[in-house]
Formats: sequence, C-alpha cells, structure tokens
Amino acid sequence: AQKVTQAQTEISVVEKEDVTLDCVYETRDTTYYLFWYKQPPSGELVFLIRRNSFDEQNEISGRYSWNFQKSTSSFNFTITASQVVDSAVYFCALSEAPNSGYALNFGKGTSLLVTP
Amino acid sequence: DAGVTQSPTHLIKTRGQQVTLRCSPKSGHDTVSWYQQALGQGPQFIFQYYEEEERQRGNFPDRFSGHQFPNYSSELNVNALLLGDSALYLCASSPPDRQNTEAFFGQGTRLTVV
Repeated sequence: AQKVTQAQTEISVVEKEDVTLDCVYETRDTTYYLFWYKQPPSGELVFLIRRNSFDEQNEISGRYSWNFQKSTSSFNFTITASQVVDSAVYFCALSEAPNSGYALNFGKGTSLLVTP
Repeated sequence: DAGVTQSPTHLIKTRGQQVTLRCSPKSGHDTVSWYQQALGQGPQFIFQYYEEEERQRGNFPDRFSGHQFPNYSSELNVNALLLGDSALYLCASSPPDRQNTEAFFGQGTRLTVV
C-alpha cells in the first residue's frame, strides 16, 4: 500500500510566485520520520529536511518552509519567491524504523517548473 | 570529501544478461542502501547493507542481490535482466550515529535493458 501520496504531479509557476507542494502520509507507527528531497535533472537526490513524529514545529530555512500537521497526516513544503533554479522534482518520503539509515518510502514526486 | 560515488553512470544490457553496479559510500558512512527509480516514479527501496550483511529488504525478487565489502563499498547484482529492470539505480549511504540522519545519495546508474 502506498504510504506517501503527492497528489500534484506537475506544477508550473512564474518566477517570484510562492508555491506549496503537498504531501500526505500513512503510517501505524507512533515513531516515524518525514523527509523532503529535491532531484534536479542530474539525478542525484538532495536532502532538504527531516522531521520526526514528535516534533510538529514548523521550520523555515531561507525561502523554504515546512508545515507538519499530524492531525491531517500532512507534511507540506512551501517555496517562497520561487526561482528558476528551484525547477526540479521534489519527493516526500517516510521512514518508520527507529534506527539510522533505514528504508525510505517515497511518494511519486512533484515536478516543479519555474519559468522566468 | 567525496560524496557517494556510483559506477558506471550509464549501462546498456540485453534481456537475460546479468549486471553489477557499484557504490562507494561517503567517507565515514557504514550503511549502504540501494533504490530503483523507474521513469516518472519515486525511488523504491531494494535493500540495505550494514556490517557486510543485508539488514533490510524491499519487495524485490531474488534476482536482485548485493554485497558489502569491508571498506563499506557495495555492489548490486541483477540476474536474468528483464525489460522492466530499466531504471535509475540509486545508492545511498548513512553514518553510524544511529540517529537517523539523512541518507546521502549518489547520482545513480542509469540501466537500460534492450
């Protein structure tokens, strides 16, 4: 069963617009971790953020912010004032095991295109 | 400090052949995981190696096997290749701090089966 759902397949915005990428997850564990990764055309997955299930505090890092809501099982990602360099595929992922380096369950990704 | 390196970057094989992909983890990392990413899909977990043993395995057939060496590098072997095995194969490494830090990914090996 799919555990991470990214309903938006593709999003296209004009530079400087704000954009939110949605992520809904499903798990029976009380301890879990949520991630966002960016995949540029080169193929390498670039880590953006990790959040554990006990920390619902939202986080902001420059133009990036994340909204974690356990009540709705969502972990959404917002890019403020988007730039062309933000164009990439973004993946949300869930990990349920309590040890380091364990399996990541990825969503299908959202392809973001930012045009000048 | 080199990150995760994978070789080769691209590979073309014929259906029924066998293939070996290689991965060198980031310096200081002892855990290696392999993922398969089909076109337009998210990566799917194949297996993970730690202390030269397979620690976890995803829903992949036995045609997919692996190995980890004493220097923590790893190989992914796929036997009896099918057209459906065509994908980007990603290797990820993690450090031994047991605090679930993020996995670092390599740029992948793009395998095409014809």
